[in-house]
Amino acid sequence: AQSVTQPDIHITVSEGASLELRCNYSYGATPYLFWYVQSPGQGLQLLLKYFSGDTLVQGIKGFEAEFKRSQSSFNLRKPSVHWSDAAEYFCAVVGLIQGAQKLVFGQGTRLTINP
Amino acid sequence: DTGVSQDPRHKITKRGQNVTFRCDPISEHNRLYWYRQTLGQGPEFLTYFQNEAQLEKSRLLSDRFSAERPKGSFSTLEIQRTEQGDSAMYLCASSLGPGGPSYEQYFGPGTRLTVT
Repeated sequence: AQSVTQPDIHITVSEGASLELRCNYSYGATPYLFWYVQSPGQGLQLLLKYFSGDTLVQGIKGFEAEFKRSQSSFNLRKPSVHWSDAAEYFCAVVGLIQGAQKLVFGQGTRLTINP
Repeated sequence: DTGVSQDPRHKITKRGQNVTFRCDPISEHNRLYWYRQTLGQGPEFLTYFQNEAQLEKSRLLSDRFSAERPKGSFSTLEIQRTEQGDSAMYLCASSLGPGGPSYEQYFGPGTRLTVT
């Protein structure tokens, strides 16, 4: 069965510092991978996705992620965080069940930004 | 494109009552998904529709839960005889399908249910 692990439940960084959020997946075939962001009380917003091709993908809000098949990882990065980046971040993989393409999410990483 | 909308945004109910939530997907999307998210966890898949057909249900969806998507447009999720364990955020998402773009699911703001 597909699964996603986000090892860091909570990360605190200073504004302007770089950021890396970790994501490891378990999937038997080529994965389709996503990062979503959720602000308090809000739904999920798609940051970026990886389907195939270039393993470094660019997303919205200055985020990028790198797919590393050998490490089963899809880590999210941002060179300089802003206070508005404080939110919950979820990594997800598509799990194919009867073509349902349901998303399987990690537990999430809560990002706090220090001024 | 007005995005996915959900109604109500918040619902407080007493244990044993029935509740119904509504989701309106992005208009051209033929796939609609329901997820449940409890505090401190990622969303978990409940069920999905392609047009009006409900094609998959998670084991999380007990007999007290029922979902419909009449005419392949909006969807409703009903919970009968609510229990305190049903307290969660219920998220709806929609996507194009089938095919590559169908993997991109767009989420609504969610309905937060509190069962007292």
